[in-house]
Amino acid sequence: KNEVEQSPQNLTAQEGEFITINCSYSVGISALHWLQQHPGGGIVSLFMLSSGKKKHGRLIATINIQEKHSSLHITASHPRDSAVYICAVGQNSNYQLIWGAGTKLIIKP
Amino acid sequence: DTGVSQNPRHKITKRGQNVTFRCDPISEHNRLYWYRQTLGQGPEFLTYFQNEAQLEKSRLLSDRFSAERPKGSFSTLEIQRTEQGDSAMYLCASSTRLPSTDTQYFGPGTRLTVL
Repeated sequence: KNEVEQSPQNLTAQEGEFITINCSYSVGISALHWLQQHPGGGIVSLFMLSSGKKKHGRLIATINIQEKHSSLHITASHPRDSAVYICAVGQNSNYQLIWGAGTKLIIKP
Repeated sequence: DTGVSQNPRHKITKRGQNVTFRCDPISEHNRLYWYRQTLGQGPEFLTYFQNEAQLEKSRLLSDRFSAERPKGSFSTLEIQRTEQGDSAMYLCASSTRLPSTDTQYFGPGTRLTVL
């Protein structure tokens, strides 16, 4: 079993829909990262959070430390949101991030 | 733009040749990471530098792979005697603190194709 699991693996939705991507982890963490990767390779960090909720524009990230679960929400989705969304966790004194496999999101116009 | 840069962006080589990639991190970032990513997979950690010191290497980094960061600024990743299985996107990232407390900033990647 992977230490960081994402669901769904693939998600296709219509423009305007509310999107939720989930991330569950089985290890102790000090921070959880959500990242976005567009076709062509570039990875952009969206959020780093260790508790509660963060919002940036139409993106909202939440984390429940007790349940070891995080969600990324996109409101009023748009075709330009189409990308792979990756969850990764950081641990104290660990140089590495532990990566999820990513969720491929396609938003149709 | 003062983000992370990588060169070249694309490299096509024949099996058995050596290749070298360069990463220039954000100037004030003392931590630098190399990752490898194959199609449909998340990034796989290869190695990590704090300043010029290489502090961790993945067991994925076989003897054919070597990385340096000679002056604690730019870094190079060399692959000797390339194999078709080395075909992947090689990503570099930098940060000021550990992933437990800091965001990593990624470069655009170098896509390697080994024929």
